[in-house]
Amino acid sequence: RKEVEQDPGPFNVPEGATVAFNCTYSNSASQSFFWYRQDCRKEPKLLMSVYSSGNEDGRFTAQLNRASQYISLLIRDSKLSDSATYLCVVPSGGSYIPTFGRGTSLIVHP
Amino acid sequence: GAVVSQHPSWVICKSGTSVKIECRSLDFQATTMFWYRQFPKQSLMLMATSNEGSKATYEQGVEKDKFLINHASLTLSTLTVTSAHPEDSSFYICSAHLSGRSYNEQFFGPGTRLTVL
Repeated sequence: RKEVEQDPGPFNVPEGATVAFNCTYSNSASQSFFWYRQDCRKEPKLLMSVYSSGNEDGRFTAQLNRASQYISLLIRDSKLSDSATYLCVVPSGGSYIPTFGRGTSLIVHP
Repeated sequence: GAVVSQHPSWVICKSGTSVKIECRSLDFQATTMFWYRQFPKQSLMLMATSNEGSKATYEQGVEKDKFLINHASLTLSTLTVTSAHPEDSSFYICSAHLSGRSYNEQFFGPGTRLTVL
């Protein structure tokens, strides 16, 4: 099993839709998780952090399921500007060096 | 938020030449910086961890003699791609870790797109 796995998508949704992505991880000792957003040909930018069961910030909700070892990102009321690749980040192995998933591509269309 | 700059933003060079990429933390001191490489439609792959004043720690499969890293100060790390070849063409991104924060919470530079002809 890969350390961090994400469905690459793309997820094609209309404006206003609710969309959710999952990210599974293999390191059961991981304590902190992050979602980053990366626009085409740009650097990743931190979107949300998840330390316990979940986190909510406006239209974005991140949830953690330790038993099944996955985190999810829910986006409500999708905007055109939400179109991007969403990267899941989890500590790697016994260190705290992060491992990035390959990202999930979201396309929000009018 | 913390700002990280990277220079140059893009570079085109001939095969066999060396290219130096600079990564600077502009408004904070970064004891640890990370260098990543990203190929199209791939995830960011960590190349090395750079600690100020010490040798970089390279990930498995990354040649330290080809990718020279120097972290001479708390605000500057450089990556030199020596004798670049077309397969080295990629998007190189640095990030800086803010002391006291989780390593997962990094501040990324804007990236350098390297094209080797």
